Amino acid sequence: EAAVTQSPRSKVAVTGGKVTLSCHQTNNHDYMYWYRQDTGHGLRLIHYSYVADSTEKGDIPDGYKASRPSQENFSLILELASLSQTAVYFCASRIRDEQYFGPGTRLTVL
Amino acid sequence: AQSVTQPDARVTVSEGASLQLRCKYSYSGTPYLFWYVQYPRQGLQLLLKYYSGDPVVQGVNGFEAEFSKSNSSFHLRKASVHWSDSAVYFCVLSLDSNYQLIWGSGTKLIIKP
Repeated sequence: EAAVTQSPRSKVAVTGGKVTLSCHQTNNHDYMYWYRQDTGHGLRLIHYSYVADSTEKGDIPDGYKASRPSQENFSLILELASLSQTAVYFCASRIRDEQYFGPGTRLTVL
Repeated sequence: AQSVTQPDARVTVSEGASLQLRCKYSYSGTPYLFWYVQYPRQGLQLLLKYYSGDPVVQGVNGFEAEFSKSNSSFHLRKASVHWSDSAVYFCVLSLDSNYQLIWGSGTKLIIKP
């Protein structure tokens, strides 16, 4: 049974619209992360959280908000989606030195 | 600035042949290094990791990697590849206790029958 799940698995959004990507973990891990992956590139950190009700900015937070309402759930919010935010988004949870990744969400902004 | 470079975007290897995927990092401190694999239409999985000690570390599925401080490298190797090894491989550098990761751009491994 998958320990980190993401929904939706794919989404098409319109420019200027609001998008919410959801992540749920059953690992009971404190740390959770949101990354984006652009074609031909590695992952870049957007936001992370180490406790419920608190989030931290990663390397590329502009245009994104995050929400951690509980230990299990971590959301990524695009208030005004833009073409440049078309990418695959990965959520991960962490215990000690290992991160466990979800299957990813493919977001296309038109 | 810290960075990870994987100079080969694609590597093609015949099934049963040996493999080396190259990784160079830039970091003045003590690096924590990882290799992750991304199979088609799946998430990412940890292959192996290096913190200190023996520069050769063993991972899953017969993979190993060798750390070289003098060369700032962490190359991934496998003695004999299988078609199921087809995937994208990422070299990753961790800098701090939050384990925020710096990712290489990835190398796509293609296995020829």
